[in-house]
Amino acid sequence: GENVEQHPSTLSVQEGDSAVIKCTYSDSASNYFPWYKQELGKGPQLIIDIRSNVGEKKDQRIAVTLNKTAKHFSLHITETQPEDSAVYFCAAIGSGGGADGLTFGKGTHLIIQP
Amino acid sequence: SAVISQKPSRDICQRGTSLTIQCQVDSQVTMMFWYRQQPGQSLTLIATANQGSEATYESGFVIDKFPISRPNLTFSTLTVSNMSPEDSSIYLCSVAGQEREPQHFGDGTRLSIL
Repeated sequence: GENVEQHPSTLSVQEGDSAVIKCTYSDSASNYFPWYKQELGKGPQLIIDIRSNVGEKKDQRIAVTLNKTAKHFSLHITETQPEDSAVYFCAAIGSGGGADGLTFGKGTHLIIQP
Repeated sequence: SAVISQKPSRDICQRGTSLTIQCQVDSQVTMMFWYRQQPGQSLTLIATANQGSEATYESGFVIDKFPISRPNLTFSTLTVSNMSPEDSSIYLCSVAGQEREPQHFGDGTRLSIL
């Protein structure tokens, strides 16, 4: 089955700086890669996603890049703000022949220092 | 996106008892999933809830321990049976359209077993 590795486990950045979180996946058949933000006491919130036929996607201060050859994808947050502090999870889903659910990375605790 | 409601939001239970968690969606959805998030950990897929048929369980999860129902396209239940302290987790429902993506999550049920 799919295995997703996520780094770093904790990331502390100054407010206004950029943050980058990286993930690798094992199943070359995986074709969908979402990113979730989870705040304390809440469920994961989808913030951006990318499909395997696209190399990069942006939504305001958030961008995701995908390198299919290397089997890794990254989340980029620019001009970080205090409200960006949360746990971020990457995930992957295969193209079929198995579970339709998501395989998650272990999460990154992003801390925005004022 | 769909509004997903889970009940109860939290509970404290005695070991050996069972608890049924409900997931209600405000619109019809093709796919519903149940995940577990152990304290401070990532999310793990328990099963896919199939309408009108038995759920599809992931490795390590069995129907006797986690029976699931899905009577229609807007509702599902997960029962945690014969609970032990190791079952203390957040249980999350997610939903998706026919293409399995994107998946959106409820806020989860926080379960503590004494």
